[in-house]
Amino acid sequence: EPEVTQTPSHQVTQMGQEVILRCVPISNHLYFYWYRQILGQKVEFLVSFYNNEISEKSEIFDDQFSVERPDGSNFTLKIRSTKLEDSAMYFCASRQDNYGYTFGSGTRLTVV
Amino acid sequence: TQLLEQSPQFLSIQEGENLTVYCNSSSVFSSLQWYRQEPGEGPVLLVTVVTGGEVKKLKRLTFQFGDARKDSSLHITAAQPGDTGLYLCAGGRGGSNYKLTFGKGTLLTVNP
Repeated sequence: EPEVTQTPSHQVTQMGQEVILRCVPISNHLYFYWYRQILGQKVEFLVSFYNNEISEKSEIFDDQFSVERPDGSNFTLKIRSTKLEDSAMYFCASRQDNYGYTFGSGTRLTVV
Repeated sequence: TQLLEQSPQFLSIQEGENLTVYCNSSSVFSSLQWYRQEPGEGPVLLVTVVTGGEVKKLKRLTFQFGDARKDSSLHITAAQPGDTGLYLCAGGRGGSNYKLTFGKGTLLTVNP
């Protein structure tokens, strides 16, 4: 069964450093998303991406965040200057034109 | 802000028992999705319900969408230890973007 692949599975970074989280969505999917889950809290929407541009972003997705689909297969989330409160599981997801999301296994980001 | 409240938050039962998990909101959603999430993994889609009053069955799991499309329930018959996990409901709003609002989840433990 097709999967959404995320790398790395775990990233530890120092506060203030830049991180790039990588995702390979399912190849024939059209819509791409990043969600995050702070430990013990809900999964929350960050950003959606369609037709090579951001279609919606949440209040969390401020200027330190950016997304890119550089080569037609990878989908990246960049956090420019990480803060302690950015520590969370970050999930990439993709979907075709129906309702069903496929989530990746996530990247656990720890900011120290 | 759309909220989805799940209850109960924790549920511990014996193998063979039946259980129901509830997902309630004051907002109307175009669809409701149920996911199961294992520790350290991404949510895995179980089912999507779209029509008010809709009932879907997946082996021993029965999912129902409320008539007003504001609430949903998940009923498990004759629970087994393999059903142990975090069950999440997520409401989707219409439009091509279709972002999800998640509940906090119900952590189910089925004891042998």
